[in-house]
Amino acid sequence: AQSVAQPEDQVNVAEGNPLTVKCTYSVSGNPYLFWYVQYPNRGLQFLLKYITGDNLVKGSYGFEAEFNKSQTSFHLKKPSALVSDSALYFCAVRGGWKLSFGAGTTVTVRA
Amino acid sequence: DTGVSQDPRHKITKRGQNVTFRCDPISEHNRLYWYRQTLGQGPEFLTYFQNEAQLEKSRLLSDRFSAERPKGSFSTLEIQRTEQGDSAMYLCASSPRTVSSYNEQFFGPGTRLTVL
Repeated sequence: AQSVAQPEDQVNVAEGNPLTVKCTYSVSGNPYLFWYVQYPNRGLQFLLKYITGDNLVKGSYGFEAEFNKSQTSFHLKKPSALVSDSALYFCAVRGGWKLSFGAGTTVTVRA
Repeated sequence: DTGVSQDPRHKITKRGQNVTFRCDPISEHNRLYWYRQTLGQGPEFLTYFQNEAQLEKSRLLSDRFSAERPKGSFSTLEIQRTEQGDSAMYLCASSPRTVSSYNEQFFGPGTRLTVL
């Protein structure tokens, strides 16, 4: 079965500092990985995905993610965090037609 | 707004009552998904439609739950004899008509159900 794990419940960073949200995966076969963000009382918004190709994937709002096959990781990164990046972030893996999500990481960016 | 819409946004009901939620996907999307999200957890898959056909159902979808997509457009999710454990956010998502299964899913704002 496909699964992802987000080892950190919360990440706190100062505005302007780099932001990293960690995700590790477990799959049989090739991984198809996604990052979503959720703001309060709203649905999930797609940020980026890894299907194949370059290990560094660029997405929306200045986010990028690094796929590392040997470490089975797909960490989300942003070089310079904004207060508006404060939200709940989910990593997900595709299995068949469905997505399996991690438990989420709450990101707080302080001014 | 051309995104996924869900109605109602909030529903409060008493235990034992039936509730029905509606999802309108993005118009050109033929694939539709339902997920459930409880507090502190990521969304969990419930069911998947391709056009009007329900092709996959999770074991989470007990016999009290039923989903339909009669004309391949909007979908409804009904919960019969609600229980307090059904309290959650119910999310609908859609994805476009392509051969690839790797497309991202576009999520609606969700329906928050509270069972008293």
